[in-house]
Amino acid sequence: EVQLLESGGGLEQPGGSLRLSCAASGFTFSSNAVSWFRQAPGKGLEWVAGISGSGDRTYYADSVKGRFTISRDNSKNTLYLQMNSLRAEDTAVYYCAKKGGGYDYAPRPDYWGQGTLVTVSS
Amino acid sequence: EIVLTQSPGTLSLSPGERTTLSCRASQSVSNNYLAWYQQKPGQAPRLLIHGALNRATGIPDRFSGSGSGTDFTLTISRLEPEDFAVYYCQQYGGSPSTFGQGTRLETK
Repeated sequence: EVQLLESGGGLEQPGGSLRLSCAASGFTFSSNAVSWFRQAPGKGLEWVAGISGSGDRTYYADSVKGRFTISRDNSKNTLYLQMNSLRAEDTAVYYCAKKGGGYDYAPRPDYWGQGTLVTVSS
Repeated sequence: EIVLTQSPGTLSLSPGERTTLSCRASQSVSNNYLAWYQQKPGQAPRLLIHGALNRATGIPDRFSGSGSGTDFTLTISRLEPEDFAVYYCQQYGGSPSTFGQGTRLETK
């Protein structure tokens, strides 16, 4: 059974940093691209960043480019999102997701984690 | 960036009824790479349809997708109580992947 478990969310001040983690199991992690998506409270879904199975290619939404960094450790079956220079508009539930179709830079997930809430506020 | 517009914003229906949700793209979706998701409060999205018309694993056959190019439709043939939720379309044929704003299906 595919499982994705996010952690690392919480309350952070504007300009601060947070690192999210996503522990994966139930599939061959290193063979699959994975992504981060987010959903602001009461709003729709937004793709944030994606990474290839080997980790050699990364992709970002314009809204986070230069501030967020996606990475993975295939030896630990774990995906990361380093978020710097946080803004109020980054407040959202962040989901990791396994790519089931599409492209590494425009993925269509087939499995999602349950999400972790990031709140950016002073 | 491809903008997806879903209509209507909210639907009020009763169990047993049939419904159609619309998703219109601002430009043609490459390869008809259009997916539909269902989301319930406090839960992650659940994939229903991919490639515009292919049901995902384990999805009941009362859910069907159709359309091509810029106009896509999700049909639920006979609403069950568990179908009342928010539905999103997503295009993944172009970068960046984008979502519609959602259609809320509520009980009348």
